[in-house]
Amino acid sequence: EDQVTQSPEALRLQEGESSSLNCSYTVSGLRGLFWYRQDPGKGPEFLFTLYSAGEEKEKERLKATLTKKESFLHITAPKPEDSATYLCAVPNQAGTALIFGKGTTLSVSS
Amino acid sequence: GAVVSQHPSRVICKSGTSVKIECRSLDFQATTMFWYRQFPKKSLMLMATSNEGSKATYEQGVEKDKFLINHASLTLSTLTVTSAHPEDSSFYICSAQGLAGGPGDTQYFGPGTRLTVL
Repeated sequence: EDQVTQSPEALRLQEGESSSLNCSYTVSGLRGLFWYRQDPGKGPEFLFTLYSAGEEKEKERLKATLTKKESFLHITAPKPEDSATYLCAVPNQAGTALIFGKGTTLSVSS
Repeated sequence: GAVVSQHPSRVICKSGTSVKIECRSLDFQATTMFWYRQFPKKSLMLMATSNEGSKATYEQGVEKDKFLINHASLTLSTLTVTSAHPEDSSFYICSAQGLAGGPGDTQYFGPGTRLTVL
């Protein structure tokens, strides 16, 4: 069964304290892995797409990496404005829909 | 680029009335649009997929007669919640996928519509 699991469910960091969020998936024939950021009461904001193992992408304090079984979202020296829920998603095997993880809610305090 | 808008952002209606939500891709053409529902502190639940000019495909358990979807152009899709009841209260979010429309293509999301049915 196609599945996406994100951990931890919640993460509290101090400003400047780097960490990583994990997204593991079980879908054969991966056709992309997507990271989104969602603020409360808003729609998800696209961050990255990764297509093949070994690929990395960066945007400001965020870096996403991909292996054959999982992806990591590394947050370097986070700031309070990085607080949000981070969602990971992959297309299902049929390619008809995105399967979302339940998300990691990140809280960064100053 | 890749901006998706939704209107209205918030709507309150009485039980039994119908509500229409618009989803527009502002700077790209979207062959495929998706409608999601999200409950508090839960992830997104796909309701239906619509392709321009054809009937929407609904996920299992979603009533197609209650949630009418129209994708009349490459930049506009609408979701009409018919005869809304309090249990339909939720956060509805649309997304749009570009012309290539393949499974590996990015979905860009709208800001969402908060529906409250009294």
